[in-house]
This record gives sequence, structure tokens and C-alpha cells, in this order.
Amino acid sequence: LAKTTQPISMDSYEGQEVNITCSHNNIATNDYITWYQQFPSQGPRFIIQGYKTKVTNEVASLFIPADRKSSTLSLPRVSLSDTAVYYCLVGDMYSSASKIIFGSGTRLSIRP
Amino acid sequence: GAGVSQTPSNKVTEKGKYVELRCDPISGHTALYWYRQSLGQGPEFLIYFQGTGAADDSGLPNDRFFAVRPEGSVSTLKIQRTERGDSAVYLCASSLKGQGTEAFFGQGTRLTVV
Repeated sequence: LAKTTQPISMDSYEGQEVNITCSHNNIATNDYITWYQQFPSQGPRFIIQGYKTKVTNEVASLFIPADRKSSTLSLPRVSLSDTAVYYCLVGDMYSSASKIIFGSGTRLSIRP
Repeated sequence: GAGVSQTPSNKVTEKGKYVELRCDPISGHTALYWYRQSLGQGPEFLIYFQGTGAADDSGLPNDRFFAVRPEGSVSTLKIQRTERGDSAVYLCASSLKGQGTEAFFGQGTRLTVV
């Protein structure tokens, strides 16, 4: 399983764009990249998933360079409610026997 | 139901007692995961079911922990001879097929062993 490395914490202000980068140097050909968000006292929630280049949904964008050794989650115009822990995961998209492994995540704090 | 349901939401038990934690996944989801989360840590993988069988139980910390999913739907995590170190939030998640598909998490069961 590819190991991920991401910053322990980040701070930003309301209205700013926040970019959280995750390193996954030994990502495998079949691995895809997924980000989850977790609020206190809740289970993690899926945000976005991608394999290469750029993926965008109503919540965030995911940028993946050609070598796929890193990825960046981009949150546009954050608000106080975006304060949460964000987890970057990599896993085999074709193996139904693979478990989903979480790292320590990035604790994002948004200030007024 | 609309989402993954876990019961009870809170459980306080005495050291040495047996506990069962229940997870009702989203209907039709074949994959089911159990995690344990301590304060300030990411969810720690325990076990993964694909249908009725445990596809991967490598995360179970010792033989006091056991999980079943007899009909491929509801799952029960069982902990024998509980210890204070077992105190944590136990999270359950389900997904349509497993890896590659979005996992939906329940709110968790907060287990406190006194």
C-alpha cells in the first residue's frame, strides 16, 4: 500500500483558497487518490477522487501531476465550516480485496 | 435507511466485560469496514468484509476482537475481556463494491472502558 505524507496542520482565513498537498512517492499504476474530510464527532466524508490530471466537483478540485507522486486538494473560498481534518488516501482501484488506510491527516483551521 | 447506522452511539463498560457494537450499512453495499479512532489520530483499520466473508482482518489488534457479518448486511464487532486501552470511537463504513468506490461512514460508537 502506498504511504502518504501530508502536513500535520494548516491555518487560513475565510474567503481564501486553501491548497493541501499530499506526497505518495511509491504510488502504483492501479492506485487512485482519494480525499476525505472529518469533522469532530463525525465519521469521515468523501470529498473527491482522481487518477491523473485534474478533477473538480462542487466542493473541491484535485490536481495530480503527470508523475502522480503527489496530489493537491484545493478548497476555493473557504469558510469557518471548512475547519476539519483532511485525509489523503491512495489505493488500488481494481482490487475489491483492498482495505482503505488512513494516515494522520491535515488539521485545517479557518479563522474569521 | 439513508446512511450507515451504528448502535449504540455511546457505550460505557467495565474492564473485563464483553461488548458488541452493531453496524447497519447502506442497503446493497457489499463492502463493510470497521475502524478504531483515538483522539487526535486518523481512523485505524480493523477489518474489511466483502459480502459475508472477512477479506482482510489484519488490523484486528488481538484475539479479543472479532467481527461477523453473517448475512452480508449487518455487522457486529465483538470485544471480549475489554481493557481500558480499548476505549476509542469505533467507526463503520460501507461502500458499493469496495476499493475504488466511495465509502460512507457512520457516526461511530464511542466506547469507554472504566
